[in-house]
Amino acid sequence: GQNIDQPTEMTATEGAIVQINCTYQTSGFNGLFWYQQHAGEAPTFLSYNVLDGLEEKGRFSSFLSRSKGYSYLLLKELQMKDSASYLCVSMDSNYQLIWGAGTKLIIKP
Amino acid sequence: DSGVTQTPKHLITATGQRVTLRCSPRSGDLSVYWYQQSLDQGLQFLIQYYNGEERAKGNILERFSAQQFPDLHSELNLSSLELGDSALYFCASSVGGEGPQETQYFGPGTRLLVL
Repeated sequence: GQNIDQPTEMTATEGAIVQINCTYQTSGFNGLFWYQQHAGEAPTFLSYNVLDGLEEKGRFSSFLSRSKGYSYLLLKELQMKDSASYLCVSMDSNYQLIWGAGTKLIIKP
Repeated sequence: DSGVTQTPKHLITATGQRVTLRCSPRSGDLSVYWYQQSLDQGLQFLIQYYNGEERAKGNILERFSAQQFPDLHSELNLSSLELGDSALYFCASSVGGEGPQETQYFGPGTRLLVL
C-alpha cells in the first residue's frame, strides 16, 4: 500500500536548527512536496523535490533520496512563527498525492 | 492571499441538513481539490476535478458529492449531515499536469459546525 511516515511532534528552540524526516512508499514516484500549516489556517506550499539532493530556499531546505524513499525538511535559525505542522506529500506514478499526517513543530524560546 | 476563494467562511447547521460549499480556483488553474480536516487531525483528501471531469477520489462519503462547472469553480455538497461532519473543508487548486504543476494553493477554508 501507499504510505507516508513522519514524526507526530517535535520540539526545538528558537534560533536552532531542526530536521523533520519523512519516509514514503508509493506506487511509482513523481516528486515530493512539503507544506506548512499553521493551526486553523490553510496549508501553504514550501518545496517540491523530484531529483536526489538538497534544495535550499532561504532558511528552509528540502532533501530527497529516491533510492531510500526518504526526504527531510531542514529549518534553520528557527523563529517562533515557525511553530506549525509540516506536511510531507508524495506524488505517485499516476500523479496522485499521498498526504502524511503532518509533524507538529513546537518552538520554545 | 493564495488566489483561491471559498464561501462561506463559517457555516452552522443541524444534523440531517444539506449544505453546499463553494470554491473558485486561482485564475488559470484547471484542477480543484477538496479536503476535510477535523479538529487536530490531518488533511483527508476527498476528491479532485480537472477541467470539469472527476480525476481522483479519496475518502469521500456517499453522502458527499462535488462537481466542477464550465467556469472551473467547484461546489461540494454535503447531505444528511452528522455531528462528525463538523470540520474545516479546504479547497485547493493547481495548474494541473505533472510534477511541480501539481503544487496546490489552498483557500482559507469553510468551517462547518453541525449541531
